[in-house]
Amino acid sequence: DAKTTQPNSMESNEEEPVHLPCNHSTISGTDYIHWYRQLPSQGPEYVIHGLTSNVNNRMASLAIAEDRKSSTLILHRATLRDAAVYYCILYTGTASKLTFGTGTRLQVTL
Amino acid sequence: EPEVTQTPSHQVTQMGQEVILRCVPISNHLYFYWYRQILGQKVEFLVSFYNNEISEKSEIFDDQFSVERPDGSNFTLKIRSTKLEDSAMYFCASREGVGGQNTEAFFGQGTRLTVV
Repeated sequence: DAKTTQPNSMESNEEEPVHLPCNHSTISGTDYIHWYRQLPSQGPEYVIHGLTSNVNNRMASLAIAEDRKSSTLILHRATLRDAAVYYCILYTGTASKLTFGTGTRLQVTL
Repeated sequence: EPEVTQTPSHQVTQMGQEVILRCVPISNHLYFYWYRQILGQKVEFLVSFYNNEISEKSEIFDDQFSVERPDGSNFTLKIRSTKLEDSAMYFCASREGVGGQNTEAFFGQGTRLTVV
């Protein structure tokens, strides 16, 4: 499995934007970049995914570097409910499993 | 919004007993998964299931584990003889068939298994 590297933890103030980085220098041409998060005591939850172009949805934006070796998940206005562990995962193959790393633990403070 | 449901939310069992964890995936999904998370550790893949057979399994998924889709809606994980180290949160997930990597996985809220 191609690997991703994320900071262990980040902090943000409520109502401010948060940029969560992910490095994936060994990404292959067919790997999709997926982001999931896990709120305390809950199952993982899909956030966003992309292949080459930047993506937006109601939860977040995903900025993908031109060489695809890194990406950034952007939460435009963090709230206390966004406090979670965020996982950047490279998704390969039709039936492929998701391989979770340790992710980035995001703390949001007032 | 469609969701994956898991029952029970919490199961306590004695070491050596058999347990069955149940999941109802989203109805039009074709790929099914089990993951587990030991307290304070990473989410780990156990097994994937497609077209009524196992498509991939991890080293954790040994002979003590089995999966089944007994009818059109349920997807079960059986642990034949539980050990203390099987204590964990078990998550079921499902995914559509069409779209491959361009689709997201939906996870249930998990079953907390405690082996005493």
